[in-house]
Amino acid sequence: DADVTQTPRNRITKTGKRIMLECSQTKGHDRMYWYRQDPGLGLRLIYYSFDVKDINKGEISDGYSVSRQAQAKFSLSLESAIPNQTALYFCATSDATDTQYFGPGTRLTVL
Amino acid sequence: AQSVTQPDIHITVSEGASLELRCNYSYGATPYLFWYVQSPGQGLQLLLKYFSGDTLVQGIKGFEAEFKRSQSSFNLRKPSVHWSDAAEYFCAVEAGSYQLTFGKGTKLSVIP
Repeated sequence: DADVTQTPRNRITKTGKRIMLECSQTKGHDRMYWYRQDPGLGLRLIYYSFDVKDINKGEISDGYSVSRQAQAKFSLSLESAIPNQTALYFCATSDATDTQYFGPGTRLTVL
Repeated sequence: AQSVTQPDIHITVSEGASLELRCNYSYGATPYLFWYVQSPGQGLQLLLKYFSGDTLVQGIKGFEAEFKRSQSSFNLRKPSVHWSDAAEYFCAVEAGSYQLTFGKGTKLSVIP
């Protein structure tokens, strides 16, 4: 089984809808991250969490919120989706050596 | 703030040829350095990492990378490319903040 899982893997939604992307990990890591990937732009950090009580904004947090429900779960929400949030979203965890391990990604399309 | 530059957006090589992907970073001290690979439709897989010590690091799939402090570079190399190496490659740095900064990626195409 994969160590970092993301659900859903693909999602199409409409402008203005609320959507939640979920991430679960079995690696036992405290640190978790959400990134978005756009063609030609690489990965950009949205939010990160060092433990269930420590959540921090990343480079591009506007329009997004997160919830760290447990050590193993970190959810990303788009309160009112807009078309320019169409992207590939990745969850990651990191270990004590700061090495990050990525989930398979969620492809989100906002119409 | 740190930054990462991958100068080559797209590289095409013939199968069996050698490969070098360039990565330059901007940071005042020595960061932790990483190379990840993303196959089409897949997530990112760690190829190798450099924290300290020997400046030539070996990774998975026959890849290696060399850290050159004087050039602020961490170039990825492979002596003989296989068709399955076609993917997008990302260099990343972690500079003391537990966050990774990624380059924009280099797409590798392999000609049979």
